[in-house]
Order: sequence, then structure tokens, then C-alpha cells
Amino acid sequence: AQSVSQHNHHVILSEAASLELGCNYSYGGTVNLFWYVQYPGQHLQLLLKYFSGDPLVKGIKGFEAEFIKSKFSFNLRKPSVQWSDTAEYFCAVEGNTDKLIFGTGTRLQVFP
Amino acid sequence: GAGVSQTPSNKVTEKGKYVELRCDPISGHTALYWYRQSLGQGPEFLIYFQGTGAADDSGLPNDRFFAVRPEGSVSTLKIQRTERGDSAVYLCASRLGAGGSPLHFGNGTRLTVT
Repeated sequence: AQSVSQHNHHVILSEAASLELGCNYSYGGTVNLFWYVQYPGQHLQLLLKYFSGDPLVKGIKGFEAEFIKSKFSFNLRKPSVQWSDTAEYFCAVEGNTDKLIFGTGTRLQVFP
Repeated sequence: GAGVSQTPSNKVTEKGKYVELRCDPISGHTALYWYRQSLGQGPEFLIYFQGTGAADDSGLPNDRFFAVRPEGSVSTLKIQRTERGDSAVYLCASRLGAGGSPLHFGNGTRLTVT
């Protein structure tokens, strides 16, 4: 069965700091990987996705993530965060079951 | 509208009552998903439809939960004999086709069972 672990539950940063949020998944086959973001009071939105090809994927708002197959990881990064990046971030994995399995989320707070 | 629409946005009900939660997906999206999100947790898969049929209902917690999508568009999640533990945000999402394409989420229905 698929599962996802997000080890950082709550991250607090100052503006301009660099960000890396961990995501590890458990699944033996081919996967599709996603990062979703939920801004306060809003619905879940897609940040970026990996299906195949270049393991470094770029998403909206300057975010990127790297798929490392040997580590079963798909960490999210941003070189310089802004106050507007304050949100909850969810990693999700899809195997061959046509359903996304989500991690527990990481709450990011960015202070000016 | 262009997005996934869920109604009501909030629902308060008494323990033991029956509730229905509605989801109107993006037009043309054949796949529709229901998730449940409790405080401090990620979305938990409940059921998904491909067209009118439930392709996978393995996430429904028990037989008090049921969902339908009779015409392949709007879906209703039905909960019988509600319990306080059912309190959560119920999320609906849709996507074009099957695996690989991203899910588009609605704003959710916050269900509170008193």
C-alpha cells in the first residue's frame, strides 16, 4: 500500500530564508508525485507534480521539488520564502490505484 | 463556475441524524473523489468515481457512509446515524480522466456533529 511521510510538522522562517520540506513515500512501483498547498481559508491547490522525465520539477511561485528514486523522496524547496508563502503544504503519491494518498502536511509560517 | 463546488460549506447536525453533502465537479471531469480531513491531518481518501460507478470505495470507514453519482456529474456523500467522530472537513475533488492528472479540489464542507 502507498503511504507518505512528512517529517516537518511545523516550520517557522523569516522572509528570504531558504525552505526545504521533506517528503518520503512508500511504494514499490512507478509513482506520480504531487505537492499541494492550502493557503489560509482557501482550497487545496496544486503546486507542482512529477510524472516522469527530469527529476527536478518546477512549480508555481518559485517552488521546485526533486524526485530521488533511490531515497523514495520528493522534497520541496524554495530558495527565498515570502510572507505570502505562509500556508499548509501537503505531499501526495499516486501509484497504480488512481488515487492520491496524502501526507499529514507541514504548516509553514513566514515572518516578515 | 470554473471550479469544484461543494454545498453546504458548513453543516452542524446532532448525533444520530442523517446528512447529505453535495459536490459539483468541474464540467467534463470524469473522475470524482471524496476525501475527509480532520484537524492536523492530511486528506484521507474515502471513495472515487469514474463516471457513474464507484471505482474504489475502500476508504469508506463503515456502512454508515455511502456515495452516489447517478448521472456521472454531481455526487452526494451520505452519512447515516452520524457520530461525533464524523466531524471533519469533507473534500471533493475532480480530474480529467484517470491516473496522472492533478486533482482539483473544492472548498470542502465542514461537518460538525454535536
